[in-house]
Amino acid sequence: SQTIHQWPATLVQPVGSPLSLECTVEGTSNPNLYWYRQAAGRGLQLLFYSVGIGQISSEVPQNLSASRPQDRQFILSSKKLLLSDSGFYLCAWRDLGQGKETQYFGPGTRLLVL
Amino acid sequence: RKEVEQDPGPFNVPEGATVAFNCTYSNSASQSFFWYRQDCRKEPKLLMSVYSSGNEDGRFTAQLNRASQYISLLIRDSKLSDSATYLCVVKILTGGGNKLTFGTGTQLKVEL
Repeated sequence: SQTIHQWPATLVQPVGSPLSLECTVEGTSNPNLYWYRQAAGRGLQLLFYSVGIGQISSEVPQNLSASRPQDRQFILSSKKLLLSDSGFYLCAWRDLGQGKETQYFGPGTRLLVL
Repeated sequence: RKEVEQDPGPFNVPEGATVAFNCTYSNSASQSFFWYRQDCRKEPKLLMSVYSSGNEDGRFTAQLNRASQYISLLIRDSKLSDSATYLCVVKILTGGGNKLTFGTGTQLKVEL
């Protein structure tokens, strides 16, 4: 069965510091991968998605970037965090091979920028 | 107008009650529809897909009305464990693949 991992689970970072969040998927190959952010009291906002290694699409202009160095690895980064980057960051996957129409989420990383 | 709109609630209901949530979407090109459940400080989890003819999964019934562009979720015989936020989700097929748009969720609190 497929599993999706994210780390760290929680993170407290000062404004201006760099960020690197990692997401890995097991039990599948060539998944579509997604990064979302959920701010307090708000819905999930799609940040980036990737259909393959090295392929990144950005949904909203922001202080963040994403990379996909391996088939089952998706990384979210920032060079300098802003207060507004605080939120719950969720990685999700969709396996085209299963013909599934929806996405499955990892456990998330809760980021607080102070 | 938001792409997916939900009443944020909270809906406070007694155990055993029947409760219904509605959701409206603005893009008539929306193709697929889902309900997710999100527990406090946890990731969203797929509850059920919503099919055009309506579908049922145990105590949960989902309905879709394409003409009016709304989706509903009915929960019968509510349990304490049903307390959560229910997210309405809409899929639009784009050149980039499967893109989901999430509502902000409806909070349900089931009480003794």
